[in-house]
Amino acid sequence: AQSVTQLDSQVPVFEEAPVELRCNYSSSVSVYLFWYVQYPNQGLQLLLKYLSGSTLVKGINGFEAEFNKSQTSFHLRKPSVHISDTAEYFCAVRVDTGRRALTFGSGTRLQVQP
Amino acid sequence: SAVISQKPSRDICQRGTSLTIQCQVDSQVTMMFWYRQQPGQSLTLIATANQGSEATYESGFVIDKFPISRPNLTFSTLTVSNMSPEDSSIYLCSVGGPVSDQETQYFGPGTRLLVL
Repeated sequence: AQSVTQLDSQVPVFEEAPVELRCNYSSSVSVYLFWYVQYPNQGLQLLLKYLSGSTLVKGINGFEAEFNKSQTSFHLRKPSVHISDTAEYFCAVRVDTGRRALTFGSGTRLQVQP
Repeated sequence: SAVISQKPSRDICQRGTSLTIQCQVDSQVTMMFWYRQQPGQSLTLIATANQGSEATYESGFVIDKFPISRPNLTFSTLTVSNMSPEDSSIYLCSVGGPVSDQETQYFGPGTRLLVL
């Protein structure tokens, strides 16, 4: 079975600073990888995804992530954050065969300070 | 991506009662899922809602507690039965993308449930 580990439960950062949210996964088969964002009192919004092809994927709101198969990682990055990026970020994985449900990490709370 | 709506958006219920949550999609979708997000926690899959057949439940979730209906390709309901305060959570419906994007899941806004 697959699993997802988000290494940081909270990441405080100042506005306009760069940020990296870490995600590692475990799976014995090929996977699809996703990052979702949850703003306060809202549902989940897809930020970006890796299905195949280029290992560097770009998403909405200036976020990008790099798939590293050897390190089984899919870290999320943004070169300059805004106050409005304050939210909960979830990394998720899905195997590419059979079961189609997502397995989520525990989430990382990004707190952008002025 | 599909537009997903859920009703109600939030509710406060008494223990021992039941609540039915509706999920409506603006286009036909093959895959529909129900997730639970307990306070301060991540998302856990409850079940996959299968059109025309019984839902497929994950370990720890049973049909008697969380009966699910999927009468067609655009609609599903989740009932939380005989509620207790431990059922206080956000319940989210998700759907698979269109044929060109079926590996991706899109989420509804969620139903925030508080059980007293």
